[in-house]
Amino acid sequence: NAGVMQNPRHLVRRRGQEARLRCSPMKGHSHVYWYRQLPEEGLKFMVYLQKENIIDESGMPKERFSAEFPKEGPSILRIQQVVRGDSAAYFCASSPGGIDTGELFFGEGSRLTVL
Amino acid sequence: DQQVKQNSPSLSVQEGRISILNCDYTNSMFDYFLWYKKYPAEGPTFLISISSIKDKNEDGRFTVFLNKSAKHLSLHIVPSQPGDSAVYFCAASANFGNEKLTFGTGTRLTIIP
Repeated sequence: NAGVMQNPRHLVRRRGQEARLRCSPMKGHSHVYWYRQLPEEGLKFMVYLQKENIIDESGMPKERFSAEFPKEGPSILRIQQVVRGDSAAYFCASSPGGIDTGELFFGEGSRLTVL
Repeated sequence: DQQVKQNSPSLSVQEGRISILNCDYTNSMFDYFLWYKKYPAEGPTFLISISSIKDKNEDGRFTVFLNKSAKHLSLHIVPSQPGDSAVYFCAASANFGNEKLTFGTGTRLTIIP
């Protein structure tokens, strides 16, 4: 049973380019979360999605960032016109939903470096 | 505004001894608390959790204690083993079972053989 799969594991972009990070949740999981970890900091919630719906995007920067979880395919976190401050590890997590455990299953992360 | 705080960035413990990691929180709405363990270049993995209706939860070598009046929780690992060397994150959620977690900044635990 594959875990949460994230790709790419490492991504290098120049300022102004776009970054796309993909996340396939665990089989049977319908809830996806994106978290960001800046250097020397904890993980910060960005967005919570279910299939075709954004449930909570209170942690997303207002500009340049967007997320989707289409009916088919992985969840995508998209960062337009990247800046150096976007350099971070982006973690996706999933859960089955409907079970009130609060436990999330994390992927290995995508490390974005902006030059 | 750091609602979940881990004031010790690092901790070193001799193998076989007890490791105690601490966490404080400020949001009274938090009612479910989790500990995650993270190795370098990997994602966090769930370790143990506790709801606000309990003050202790034990799972093998790991025990989590919750002091609601002090808004403090701790993770005890005994006996500590070299494989426990990792970064430990405390996390909290409001409205029990809500999976939107607020994380602390982590404590790097090093077990000395």
